[in-house]
Amino acid sequence: GAVVSQHPSRVICKSGTSVKIECRSLDFQATTMFWYRQFPKQSLMLMATSNEGSKATYEQGVEKDKFLINHASLTLSTLTVTSAHPEDSSFYICSAHSGQIFKNIQYFGAGTRLSVL
Amino acid sequence: QKEVEQNSGPLSVPEGAIASLNCTYSDRGSQSFFWYRQYSGKSPELIMFIYSNGDKEDGRFTAQLNKASQYVSLLIRDSQPSDSATYLCAVNPLINYQLIWGAGTKLIIKP
Repeated sequence: GAVVSQHPSRVICKSGTSVKIECRSLDFQATTMFWYRQFPKQSLMLMATSNEGSKATYEQGVEKDKFLINHASLTLSTLTVTSAHPEDSSFYICSAHSGQIFKNIQYFGAGTRLSVL
Repeated sequence: QKEVEQNSGPLSVPEGAIASLNCTYSDRGSQSFFWYRQYSGKSPELIMFIYSNGDKEDGRFTAQLNKASQYVSLLIRDSQPSDSATYLCAVNPLINYQLIWGAGTKLIIKP
């Protein structure tokens, strides 16, 4: 159990375009989802916490107008990188948390590698 | 500032030996503790979690928690080359279900 699907796994786009990344919990309802970014050889950096039906909470220094998060259902959260630039190239990873059955465990999607040309 | 500290490594261990990974945390109120493994270019995967003081064993892995000393460790017995990865320690301070992450320890198992 506790499978999190993240799509796409890799995306290459031109500077100025927007990219949407989907994160789905397949076999449990995720009350909370998290979005992380990871640069090469660095640790995970939490970008935002996404709660179903409410606005996401962004970490300090993360532009909410650039990284749009929508958590429309208990199984789906999306991250849209708007007007992407080369400095946004990174590994984006989502995780999902049920809040009950799994005792605060976060289960991760496979990640999305974004390359902005 | 809540912190989780790990030695970045790399920690080099011969195949078949015991690998010992350590993690200390600053928030004394933390209640749950996690070890994730991350292969290069992949996302983290949960290895073990522990909530109570003492040892918790799962196959070749043993997690050890000492809340009084504020450290948690992971032992890997009979280390295999496939265990070579970065091991992330995470602590739950019970704030919005967020985890506080260590920077990870790179483990290399030498054949």
